[in-house]
Amino acid sequence: DAGVIQSPRHEVTEMGQEVTLRCKPISGHDYLFWYRQTMMRGLELLIYFNNNVPIDDSGMPEDRFSAKMPNASFSTLKIQPSEPRDSAVYFCASSPRVGSSYEQYFGPGTRLTVT
Amino acid sequence: AQSVTQLGSHVSVSEGALVLLRCNYSSSVPPYLFWYVQYPNQGLQLLLKYTTGATLVKGINGFEAEFKKSETSFHLTKPSAHMSDAAEYFCAVSDVSFKTIFGAGTRLFVKA
Repeated sequence: DAGVIQSPRHEVTEMGQEVTLRCKPISGHDYLFWYRQTMMRGLELLIYFNNNVPIDDSGMPEDRFSAKMPNASFSTLKIQPSEPRDSAVYFCASSPRVGSSYEQYFGPGTRLTVT
Repeated sequence: AQSVTQLGSHVSVSEGALVLLRCNYSSSVPPYLFWYVQYPNQGLQLLLKYTTGATLVKGINGFEAEFKKSETSFHLTKPSAHMSDAAEYFCAVSDVSFKTIFGAGTRLFVKA
């Protein structure tokens, strides 16, 4: 299996532009998570899905952030409009619902820089 | 609410020395506990996990951790550090809702 795939790996954009981050989870995994990692705040859970349905979006910082999962093999995290404080590494992770596994498999991340 | 505290944002050991990374958790229900490792410019990888059963859990790369309910701890150890162990380590707690809370991370430095 290829693991969790994220694209792009690096994104540089100007303040006010729309940014879309993409994720392909591991096939057969029922859960998908979006995280943001910064030096100041560490690893923060933004939102997670179960069977394509958002379960908890309490970590989404504000209305400029939105996430969708139109099918089991694809999810997007959109920021519109972007701001410099959104600069961070964004990780997608997926998890199987098999027995009592609960562990998460992380993608390589997207490093976002907003100037 | 669940929470995780990792004691020490940086730990430095000599190659061949014992590695001890500390983690304490708070959970109102029986927790699921994890240690993840992150190498530079990579995502997190699972080192080991505790869900039920034996409280001493062995993971990859010679690491192990012991779940101590009375101390609400899940410290990570490795008898002999290797240069390749230099990375950031995250302790995490989860429950059956699948929502996982990560600690702030501990960066491990290994000196030659």
